[in-house]
Amino acid sequence: DSGVTQTPKHLITATGQRVTLRCSPRSGDLSVYWYQQSLDQGLQFLIQYYNGEERAKGNILERFSAQQFPDLHSELNLSSLELGDSALYFCASSVTGGETETQYFGPGTRLLVL
Amino acid sequence: GENVEQHPSTLSVQEGDSAVIKCTYSDSASNYFPWYKQELGKRPQLIIDIRSNVGEKKDQRIAVTLNKTAKHFSLHITETQPEDSAVYFCAAGPSNTGKLIFGQGTTLQVKP
Repeated sequence: DSGVTQTPKHLITATGQRVTLRCSPRSGDLSVYWYQQSLDQGLQFLIQYYNGEERAKGNILERFSAQQFPDLHSELNLSSLELGDSALYFCASSVTGGETETQYFGPGTRLLVL
Repeated sequence: GENVEQHPSTLSVQEGDSAVIKCTYSDSASNYFPWYKQELGKRPQLIIDIRSNVGEKKDQRIAVTLNKTAKHFSLHITETQPEDSAVYFCAAGPSNTGKLIFGQGTTLQVKP
C-alpha cells in the first residue's frame, strides 16, 4: 500500500457523460500527478499540482480538468466522454513535486465508457 | 518533444537467467530515471531509481545503469524468479518539472 488513495475503483458510464475521479495523496505529500494508462498509449502524464497550484501540464484534453483543494486532495474531471477515454487513471504523489522525487502511485480508477 | 523508447516490448527468460531492459530518452536535461513494476490490474510500483549524478545503482538482484552521454539507461535483473513476471516501465524526468515520461513497457515472463 503506497498511502495514495483513489476513488472510485471502477466507473462505468456512457458517452457524453461527465465523471469525477478523486485522489488523496500520502500524508505529508504536497504534489499530486495524474496519469492515464490505456492499452495502446501506455502511461501518459496528464497534469501535476503542487500545494493547490498547477505546476506542469501534459497532453491533457480540453474536455479534462483537474484541481487540488486546500486539504491537498485532487479531483480529475472528465467531460463529454468518448469511447477512447476508457482507461486506467492513476494518481501519484510526492513530497514537493521536485524533478528527482519518487512518485508513489495510487491503485487507480478503471473507467469504462460505453 | 520529450520521448522515451523502451526495448524489448516482451522478454521471456528461464528462471535463474538474467533479464535486461533498455531505454533511451530524448531530453538531455532529464535528471531522474525510475523503473516501475506493474502486475496485472495493479498500480505501478517503484523498484529502483537513479539520478543523473550516479552511473550505476544496485539493490539486491536489481541494478540500473545510466549513460548520460548516450542518453540511455538499462535495468538488469539477475537470478530471475517467476514472481518477477510483470510489466516493467522505465521513465525519465525532464528538468524543472516533476512529470515523468514513460516508456511503452516490457512484459517480462519468467518460466519456471
